[in-house]
Amino acid sequence: QVQLKESGPGLVQPSQTLSLTCTVSGFSLTSNSVSWVRQPPGKGLEWMGAIWSGGSTDYNSALKSRLSISRDTSKSQVFLKMNSLQTEDTAIYFCTRALQYYFDYWGQGVMVTVSS
Amino acid sequence: DIRMTQSPASLSASLGETVNIECLASEDIYSDLAWYQQKPGKSPQLLIYNANSLQNGVPSRFSGSGSGTQYSLKINSLQSEDVATYFCQQYNNYPLTFGSGTKLEIK
Repeated sequence: QVQLKESGPGLVQPSQTLSLTCTVSGFSLTSNSVSWVRQPPGKGLEWMGAIWSGGSTDYNSALKSRLSISRDTSKSQVFLKMNSLQTEDTAIYFCTRALQYYFDYWGQGVMVTVSS
Repeated sequence: DIRMTQSPASLSASLGETVNIECLASEDIYSDLAWYQQKPGKSPQLLIYNANSLQNGVPSRFSGSGSGTQYSLKINSLQSEDVATYFCQQYNNYPLTFGSGTKLEIK
């Protein structure tokens, strides 16, 4: 069945770079797209960006200068890198399968705290 | 960016009641709208897409409607397991944006 699982450090220091991995199973990255969505504690959802089945990417303009999404199709993994982290980047980070731009499967999420 | 305004922010209703949650887009999104349910401590789950299409496996007491800039999620015969926060999301234009959420509790 379709599954996504995020992994990465739980704590990142301010100004440092966040690196997260989304490992998927049950579907192919060459036929489906994956998005990253984040949620600050107790708050709403923010779409960060996507990597489409053909390998192209789109980013939220609010994050575009700091964000990079890539993939390794042979390992069924999608990667998120975001630099210059600040405390307001503290959030749960989800990877999701995007079906025609809405999200039908979500990972469990990984909590990332930005703190020194 | 398209702003999605959800109302109410919170809602308390009795078991068996019918509830409605509204989502207003800042411009026409041509029914490119999804609804999600997020239970405490869990990931969001897709309920409705294309404004009114029920996702596989979602109970039929959930329904969506609307067009243009105004959309709604209706829950019939409220059950205890419906306690959650509900979000709308537009996908007509980038960036994809979500409403701020409606927290549903049982009275």
